[in-house]
Amino acid sequence: GAGVSQTPSNKVTEKGKYVELRCDPISGHTALYWYRQSLGQGPEFLIYFQGTGAADDSGLPNDRFFAVRPEGSVSTLKIQRTERGDSAVYLCASSSTGEETQYFGPGTRLLVL
Amino acid sequence: GEDVEQSLFLSVREGDSSVINCTYTDSSSTYLYWYKQEPGAGLQLLTYIFSNMDMKQDQRLTVLLNKKDKHLSLRIADTQTGDSAIYFCAESKVSSNDYKLSFGAGTTVTVRA
Repeated sequence: GAGVSQTPSNKVTEKGKYVELRCDPISGHTALYWYRQSLGQGPEFLIYFQGTGAADDSGLPNDRFFAVRPEGSVSTLKIQRTERGDSAVYLCASSSTGEETQYFGPGTRLLVL
Repeated sequence: GEDVEQSLFLSVREGDSSVINCTYTDSSSTYLYWYKQEPGAGLQLLTYIFSNMDMKQDQRLTVLLNKKDKHLSLRIADTQTGDSAIYFCAESKVSSNDYKLSFGAGTTVTVRA
């Protein structure tokens, strides 16, 4: 079956602009996670959705970052007033509720100039 | 993340065994994982172990967990050129179905002929 997909695969924007990154989880997966991976680092947790609600947003770095999942499937990560330090690969993962394994998408590579 | 530490590089000859080591700090970790990341690709789950286990073997992969020392290792038998990648150790601290992962910085494994 289809895995987790993310669009766009690459995004280049200018400092101060707004960007949206999309994640399509595996069909039927109720849990969805966003992570950010900076160059040379491991992924860092941003936010976790259970269904439509953000059950844990403790990893969001500041209020410029926001994520939604209005219908409990597709999720969008939104970054306002982008800064050069936001440049990273943004990874999405999904799993079934209570399942200990997460399946990752290929990521969106964001470059803020 | 700062809770999980790994050595940064490992070079191994084709056909030899590779051993990648990881230490973690949180004794309440429930699951410990090994992920593989090839250039430009997302994360592939290789294997994982529940924290009440000492060892898990899956084909060429052997995971050893020393809970007392908070040390996790991944052994790859008969290492092949296709095993060249970055390997991430990760832990999860489960809370209310939230399996968010904390990753190490990754170990770059280079397989030489």
